[in-house]
Amino acid sequence: QLRLQESGPGLVKPSETLSLTCTVSGGSFNSSFYYWGWIRQPPGKGLEYIGIIYYGGTTYYNPSVRSRFTISIDTSKNQVSLKVTSVTGRDAATYYCASRSLTTRRDAFDIWGQGTVVTVSS
Amino acid sequence: DIQMTQSPSSLSASVGDRVTITCRASQNIRDYVNWYQQKPGKAPNLLIFGASTLHTGVASRFSGGGSGTEFTLNISNLQPDDFATYYCQQSHSMLPSTFGQGTRLEIK
Repeated sequence: QLRLQESGPGLVKPSETLSLTCTVSGGSFNSSFYYWGWIRQPPGKGLEYIGIIYYGGTTYYNPSVRSRFTISIDTSKNQVSLKVTSVTGRDAATYYCASRSLTTRRDAFDIWGQGTVVTVSS
Repeated sequence: DIQMTQSPSSLSASVGDRVTITCRASQNIRDYVNWYQQKPGKAPNLLIFGASTLHTGVASRFSGGGSGTEFTLNISNLQPDDFATYYCQQSHSMLPSTFGQGTRLEIK
């Protein structure tokens, strides 16, 4: 069963860099997925698409976050990562890693991690 | 970016009822709409993709329709487990993809 697991620091200070990791398990990293994505959800609010990355490393970002967000992939560790620079209070959210698996015929996130909560505070 | 506008933002209904949630796109997106269900403290779950195709394991009381700019998610014979927040997502352009603002379905 394909599984995604996010991990991160939980608490980050304003102006610092946030690094999150998504570990993929339960299937072949290079042949079970089309792409992986990051989506965030501020407390009590809706879902915001951050961007996606393909196995070969090609990335696409939401233009609204592009300048501070970087998605990367480490195929040796079966991991996808998200880095956010110059963090502010508006970056406080639950961050989800999600993917489109090869069983889905359309662009859709059919597999989600459980999410990791990020609090921004000094 | 393609904007997705959901209505209503919240909805009260009773077990056994049928409800409809609407999502309008800011431009023609053919049938590139997905629907997700999210329960408190949990990640979203894919219900429907391609506007009307049920994802594996989703109950048949869920159905989706529409094309172009107007889409609906219908839930018939509401069950207690269905009370949650629902989101639409357009996948016509993943650059970027966008979600609706969500519809919270509550028990009356």
